[in-house]
Amino acid sequence: GNSVTQMEGPVTLSEEAFLTINCTYTATGYPSLFWYVQYPGEGLQLLLKATKADDKGSNKGFEATYRKETTSFHLEKGSVQVSDSAVYFCALVTGTASKLTFGTGTRLQVTL
Amino acid sequence: DTAVSQTPKYLVTQMGNDKSIKCEQNLGHDTMYWYKQDSKKFLKIMFSYNNKELIINETVPNRFSPKSPDKAHLNLHINSLELGDSAVYFCASSPRDRTLLEQYFGPGTRLTVT
Repeated sequence: GNSVTQMEGPVTLSEEAFLTINCTYTATGYPSLFWYVQYPGEGLQLLLKATKADDKGSNKGFEATYRKETTSFHLEKGSVQVSDSAVYFCALVTGTASKLTFGTGTRLQVTL
Repeated sequence: DTAVSQTPKYLVTQMGNDKSIKCEQNLGHDTMYWYKQDSKKFLKIMFSYNNKELIINETVPNRFSPKSPDKAHLNLHINSLELGDSAVYFCASSPRDRTLLEQYFGPGTRLTVT
């Protein structure tokens, strides 16, 4: 079956620090990969996606590259802001059922 | 111009009661989902409907029954509520076009069973 493994949180960074949140996956077939973000008290929002190997998804300064050889989709941002504090979920989908499999989420806390 | 809406936002009820959560999307999507997020933030799919037809039914107690009166609505009815049902329930939808794939989530319904 499909699974997604994310690094344990919480991750605490100072503003303007570099962010990496690791994500690796196991999937049958060729998955599409996603990062979702959940701000406090809100639902999930799609942050970025990549649908095939070597694709790079990017949005709001965040980037992630689909690495088939290492089955990874690590999230990076060069300079985080306090407003980036949230829970970040790595996810994948395979096949036609559109069933998203989520990682456990990584909480990011950015301080001044 | 809310895309995916859920009601209620908060629901506090006692064990043994029956309750419903409603979801509506105005995006014209064909597929809708229910997810459960536990206290550790772990998200797991429960059900998926495509144009009113059930297509995903994960291992969920049969006390949970989804109902889709039309493709814009997917409601979740829960019978005989238990303490372990306390969680945040998210509705989501996605378009017919499989190349798009992303799902749009509602704001969630926090269910507390006492």
